Amino acid sequence: ETGVTQSPTHLIKTRGQQVTLRCSSQSGHNTVSWYQQALGQGPQFIFQYYREEENGRGNFPPRFSGLQFPNYSSELNVNALELDDSALYLCASSSQAVGELFFGEGSRLTVL
Amino acid sequence: AQSVTQLDSQVPVFEEAPVELRCNYSSSVSVYLFWYVQYPNQGLQLLLKYLSGSTLVKGINGFEAEFNKSQTSFHLRKPSVHISDTAEYFCAVTQTSGSRLTFGEGTQLTVNP
Repeated sequence: ETGVTQSPTHLIKTRGQQVTLRCSSQSGHNTVSWYQQALGQGPQFIFQYYREEENGRGNFPPRFSGLQFPNYSSELNVNALELDDSALYLCASSSQAVGELFFGEGSRLTVL
Repeated sequence: AQSVTQLDSQVPVFEEAPVELRCNYSSSVSVYLFWYVQYPNQGLQLLLKYLSGSTLVKGINGFEAEFNKSQTSFHLRKPSVHISDTAEYFCAVTQTSGSRLTFGEGTQLTVNP
């Protein structure tokens, strides 16, 4: 059984650029959630996808968008990058039955 | 809506000493509670969870936590810590109807020799 995998692990972008982060969910899980963890802070909920539909969104602007594919993998897209978008982006999958999330190792984004 | 407060941002202790990391939560509905650990440059690993039943929950690496509904607390404890327990610890809560986690700000546990 494979766990949650994320790519890329590290990347550097400049202000105004766009970025796509990818996540493969754990086998048997149909729900994917994305979190942003700024340096020295706890993770903040961005949004959740369940069966390819957005199923809840945190306090993030529309330039943060996502997709979930039929195999339940997911993408997080961020347009018009700002310096404050520099963070560790965590993907988590779940079966939604009991609310337990399984996290990937994260993608560390640096915006210069 | 729910919120989580971790009462200590940093906890330094000596090896083999006991430790308690404090977590209080606020919610108007029933919740599930979790403790996650994060080692440097890594993702989050689940230490333990409270879903229902016994209020004393045992997790991995010798950690345990006690759910206290009247005090809305979920403190994490370990009777004897090791150097390898040095990490950031996050308390989190979610409504029983979903899996959207609300995290605390984290507690940095540093175990010194």
